[in-house]
Amino acid sequence: KQEVTQIPAALSVPEGENLVLNCSFTDSAIYNLQWFRQDPGKGLTSLLLIQSSQREQTSGRLNASLDKSSGRSTLYIAASQPGDSATYLCAVRNSGYSTLTFGKGTMLLVSP
Amino acid sequence: DAGVIQSPRHEVTEMGQEVTLRCKPISGHNSLFWYRQTMMRGLELLIYFNNNVPIDDSGMPEDRFSAKMPNASFSTLKIQPSEPRDSAVYFCASSLPRRPGQGTYNEQFFGPGTRLTVL
Repeated sequence: KQEVTQIPAALSVPEGENLVLNCSFTDSAIYNLQWFRQDPGKGLTSLLLIQSSQREQTSGRLNASLDKSSGRSTLYIAASQPGDSATYLCAVRNSGYSTLTFGKGTMLLVSP
Repeated sequence: DAGVIQSPRHEVTEMGQEVTLRCKPISGHNSLFWYRQTMMRGLELLIYFNNNVPIDDSGMPEDRFSAKMPNASFSTLKIQPSEPRDSAVYFCASSLPRRPGQGTYNEQFFGPGTRLTVL
């Protein structure tokens, strides 16, 4: 059974810092991996999706990398802003299935 | 587009009562997912439908939980009888159909969730 772990569970940084969020998964036979953002009291918003054949995806200040063989992904946020404060969730889709297995998330606080 | 719509947004009920959560997926999406989120267990898939047919309900915790999708624009998740341990945020998500030969599964769009508290 696929298990997804996110470290750290919480992170607090001052505005302007570059930061890295980590995601690991136990079964490397994944189809793709997604990073989501969740604001308090809101649903999830998809940030980046990486196919298993890709090594990274970029969107603005966000860069997600995937090392399938080692079962790891990182989400890099450049020049963090207070508006980046949210919980970030990593989810993997196993090959042949359309369901997602989520990590418990990293709660990020960026202070002005 | 209004996005995925869920109702109610908040529900407080007493143990033993029946609870019904509702979801309207994005028009044209043929896959619908129900998730539950708690602090302890994170976000867990309960059940998903393709073309109104339940495909995988292995995440449904027990017989007290049931889900239906009578048509392409409406789904319900029912808990009867409810228990305090059912307290959680329940999310509904929908996605476009995967076309034959399409190499990727389509992105899931999430609703705002229903926060359920069972006293």
